[in-house]
Amino acid sequence: DAGVIQSPRHEVTEMGQEVTLRCKPISGHNSLFWYRQTMMRGLELLIYFNNNVPIDDSGMPEDRFSAKMPNASFSTLKIQPSEPRDSAVYFCASSPTGGNQPQHFGDGTRLSIL
Amino acid sequence: GQNIDQPTEMTATEGAIVQINCTYQTSGFNGLFWYQQHAGEAPTFLSYNVLDGLEEKGRFSSFLSRSKGYSYLLLKELQMKDSASYLCAVRSNSGNTPLVFGKGTRLSVIA
Repeated sequence: DAGVIQSPRHEVTEMGQEVTLRCKPISGHNSLFWYRQTMMRGLELLIYFNNNVPIDDSGMPEDRFSAKMPNASFSTLKIQPSEPRDSAVYFCASSPTGGNQPQHFGDGTRLSIL
Repeated sequence: GQNIDQPTEMTATEGAIVQINCTYQTSGFNGLFWYQQHAGEAPTFLSYNVLDGLEEKGRFSSFLSRSKGYSYLLLKELQMKDSASYLCAVRSNSGNTPLVFGKGTRLSVIA
């Protein structure tokens, strides 16, 4: 059974460019979460979806960040324009229904903005 | 607010036992999770506690005291491959809601 699939694994780009991160959740999981991990702040929630509907985007740092989930098998996180302080590892996670269900993480996208 | 505290780093010897503590203050409580994260990799699920007491799973055990806002992860018969970060996370709301993560404890296992 395939796990959560993220692409790209690594992205290096110059500030001001648009960055798009992609995620395919585990089939049958109805919740999807985007997290950002840095040394200073650890893992922080950016946004999450239940049944493709955004539920809480209060963790999105500013209007430069946007996320979509057009269907149950695909989500994107977009940064436009990107800035050096956006450099981090971005993880996507999915989980099935049930409060005792753990979240399953993708391998992450390591983003470097120069 | 939400606050989860765990030690930043620990070192232990191969074959020994180590206990990693976690204290939390959250707006609600609907379960506590422990994850393992090797450097450069994704967090992977280790254990889940929602009731007080000890949950044992092979070499790993996790304990919860809801009244004290306290949990620990116990690793027995340490192996070199156990060197990783261990993340404590709390689900404060019911249903499929996000986890609030501590910053993790980096465990180094030495020979």
